[in-house]
Amino acid sequence: DIQMTQSPSSLSASVGDRVTITCRASQSINNYLNWYQQTPGKAPNLLIYAASSLQSGVPSRFSGSGSGTDFTLTISSLQPEDFATYYCQQSYSTLYTFGQGTKLEIK
Amino acid sequence: EVQLVESGGGLVQPGGSLRLSCAASGFTFSPYWMHWVRQAPGKGLVWVSRINSDGRSTSYADSVKGRFTISRDNAKNTLYLQMNSLRVEDTAVYYCARVDSGWDYFDYWGQGTLVTVSS
Repeated sequence: DIQMTQSPSSLSASVGDRVTITCRASQSINNYLNWYQQTPGKAPNLLIYAASSLQSGVPSRFSGSGSGTDFTLTISSLQPEDFATYYCQQSYSTLYTFGQGTKLEIK
Repeated sequence: EVQLVESGGGLVQPGGSLRLSCAASGFTFSPYWMHWVRQAPGKGLVWVSRINSDGRSTSYADSVKGRFTISRDNAKNTLYLQMNSLRVEDTAVYYCARVDSGWDYFDYWGQGTLVTVSS
């Protein structure tokens, strides 16, 4: 199975900050990397697909980059509603796997 | 509006069985591959199973292989997950999710149904 490793596991930041979350795959997954945001008690919400494509309706402060094994999610200027948990997910293998999550908290 | 609504969760004893359903509406169900993803309390997302559009091809995570069975009824626009030989570690919120046919990302999710395995 392809293992997905996110870093950091948690992050404290302030409104207006620029933050970056990293996701590393245990083998090359080309661009088959997706990012989701989840708030407590809710289902995950797709932010970025195919490593860098912004899902319709998602604010442009979210961006993704990377290919192969190393990927990043960047939030350019944190808003109050962005404090949540973020997950990467690979869809290169049919045995889909998620990263362990990054919890973004208010400093 | 695309909607996925799970049902069938509840409390079950270890070794017991449960069948989850996911009713789809607002889109043409039959062409889409569908998945189940679960999340244990306070933990991360874990992929469980997927089924192709006609139901003839399925895959499972190693942790549920041989115990869980995914199926679908395209005439009823419904996805199922039959869970047998349940274990305490199967306790989780179970989400159904639709997959986009190109890059295989989960574009729509249900609200989830809680399965609790406890004596």
